[in-house]
Amino acid sequence: GAGVSQTPSNKVTEKGKYVELRCDPISGHTALYWYRQSLGQGPEFLIYFQGTGAADDSGLPNDRFFAVRPEGSVSTLKIQRTERGDSAVYLCASSLNRGELFFGEGSRLTVL
Amino acid sequence: DQQVKQNSPSLSVQEGRISILNCDYTNSMFDYFLWYKKYPAEGPTFLISISSIKDKNEDGRFTVFLNKSAKHLSLHIVPSQPGDSAVYFCAASADYGQNFVFGPGTRLSVLP
Repeated sequence: GAGVSQTPSNKVTEKGKYVELRCDPISGHTALYWYRQSLGQGPEFLIYFQGTGAADDSGLPNDRFFAVRPEGSVSTLKIQRTERGDSAVYLCASSLNRGELFFGEGSRLTVL
Repeated sequence: DQQVKQNSPSLSVQEGRISILNCDYTNSMFDYFLWYKKYPAEGPTFLISISSIKDKNEDGRFTVFLNKSAKHLSLHIVPSQPGDSAVYFCAASADYGQNFVFGPGTRLSVLP
């Protein structure tokens, strides 16, 4: 497809488990962002990649969260030892040389 | 501390009238601003942007105004249509589109 694709769309897991969320950006977009959105709030910045490198990871809440983009296209957000507070919609966006962000539909994570 | 504020959680407007959505920010380094619209279960979609070198940008029914001295921007929708009913987010960035900070959103309801 032409847009940003995120999988899975829904993920239910148990507290303490490991989770991976995948983002496939728009082809040719060099910048990729991860945000998370809790109910009633705006998207909260997590990390931003320019190419393969993390240009800004200041939004990652703690060392349980990690993201990679090894070939400068697809990115994976990894969450270790999940906690109930990690439950949110995780949004991925891409852009061409910064500027407007194109968002995917998000991955809804529920930690029981 | 919220760097981007949208103090009205909700707004109702009659179809055909003007909708005005407001956004305030605290960081004087912000130089690029975006407005997004979000429908339930979808990712945010880009509406319009403005850089700090301008005080107005217009695109069809949507106009964004920026008042840098007041650290305030607003989105005007004229005429409002029922399909405009959604949550609207204001986002701001320093260094032109690196780390975008989002406001909490305003839910607009356009009544037929």
